[in-house]
Amino acid sequence: DIVMTQSPDSLAMSLGERATINCKSSRSLFYNSNNKNYLAWYQQKPGQSPKLLIYWASTRESGVPDRFTGSGSGTDFTLTINNLQAGDVAVYYCQQYYTTPWTFGQGTRLEIE
Amino acid sequence: EVQLVESGGGLVQPGGSLRLACAASGFTVKSHFMSWVRQAPGKGLEWVSAIYTSDNEFYADSVKGRFTISRDNSNNTVYLQLNSLRAEDTAAYFCARISSTGWTPLGYFDLWGRGSLVTVSS
Repeated sequence: DIVMTQSPDSLAMSLGERATINCKSSRSLFYNSNNKNYLAWYQQKPGQSPKLLIYWASTRESGVPDRFTGSGSGTDFTLTINNLQAGDVAVYYCQQYYTTPWTFGQGTRLEIE
Repeated sequence: EVQLVESGGGLVQPGGSLRLACAASGFTVKSHFMSWVRQAPGKGLEWVSAIYTSDNEFYADSVKGRFTISRDNSNNTVYLQLNSLRAEDTAAYFCARISSTGWTPLGYFDLWGRGSLVTVSS
């Protein structure tokens, strides 16, 4: 199975700051035939179900603010959240869909100081 | 409105069984790839099972042989039958739609239900 490891486990930022969450996979998620990275990001707010933010490592889901940016390739990926707002408090998960079983990172908890 | 609504969770004894249902609205499950993902209390997300439009079924090793995914097109509902339940199966079970392009599942989840809590305890 592909192991997904996120860092940090948690972070506390101030309103308006930039948060950076990292995700590392145990094998490359880049598929040569279509030049795509099979990596998604989700946001799970307290008491809610996960919500898709980013897929193909950097494509924003419809309706997701452009403050959320995904980057990276191969085994190393980053979710960047600019201009942090109170509503961004959540746990963020990366997920690989390169191969089954699809696997998630352990999650990164984002708090606002 | 496009949504998924789970039901059927509850308290069950170890070794017992339960059937979860996921009612879809705003789209037809027969034309989409569907999945179940679970989350133990205070823990992360774990993919459990998927069913393709071809009716092919896929399972995580942790539930293979104990859980069965199925679909009722007439009721636009996806089910997950949970048998031989263990304490470690205690979790919120989310129904999720797998994004696809044409007839190809992509593997990420573009629509989630609110979840149904299963507690396995004596």
